[in-house]
Amino acid sequence: DTGVSQDPRHKITKRGQNVTFRCDPISEHNRLYWYRQTLGQGPEFLTYFQNEAQLEKSRLLSDRFSAERPKGSFSTLEIQRTEQGDSAMYLCASSLARYSGNTEAFFGQGTRLTVV
Amino acid sequence: AQRVTQPEKLLSVFKGAPVELKCNYSYSGSPELFWYVQYSRQRLQLLLRHISRESIKGFTADLNKGETSFHLKKPFAQEEDSAMYYCALSSNTDKLIFGTGTRLQVFP
Repeated sequence: DTGVSQDPRHKITKRGQNVTFRCDPISEHNRLYWYRQTLGQGPEFLTYFQNEAQLEKSRLLSDRFSAERPKGSFSTLEIQRTEQGDSAMYLCASSLARYSGNTEAFFGQGTRLTVV
Repeated sequence: AQRVTQPEKLLSVFKGAPVELKCNYSYSGSPELFWYVQYSRQRLQLLLRHISRESIKGFTADLNKGETSFHLKKPFAQEEDSAMYYCALSSNTDKLIFGTGTRLQVFP
């Protein structure tokens, strides 16, 4: 599968623990996005990178959340001191931004986080 | 505020019936509008975007700036159309703002 891949697919953690998720975008894509989706809602934007630069962060992204994209390739999303309210599906997407306009965003299958 | 509204959580139709999934948006500039679809156990994928003005799998959507709507339509629903449909808009920063989604169920 040459699409966007996310690891792990599922994560169960105890409240207060730290978790880290990984996203591998489509190789030539320079933009990478993180979204969060809770039950009954559409995906909500968290943050995005163009190459290695983090260009925008949502107010949803509290200081317990940090995202990185070293070398402009894969990205990690870390949640520190998890809370039950962090339980959600975390989606990663990538796209190729061009001067002529943006192209389609491709999504990964997501990481489902359950905080107990 | 930028917002996408999908008023229906569930839409159930019989095979062969017409389908219209509603989407309204609020945005101060000129947004780009999309429909994304998620079939059972599959990832979210793009169905169509308003700038391409094409029909995908028999679905069309017309951007109506006066009514700030981007409704998705198909004249004859098929069972394989059963899925979760999300309307989304893209701002000038390219992030997507999604609606809450509409589940389409097509019965045989």
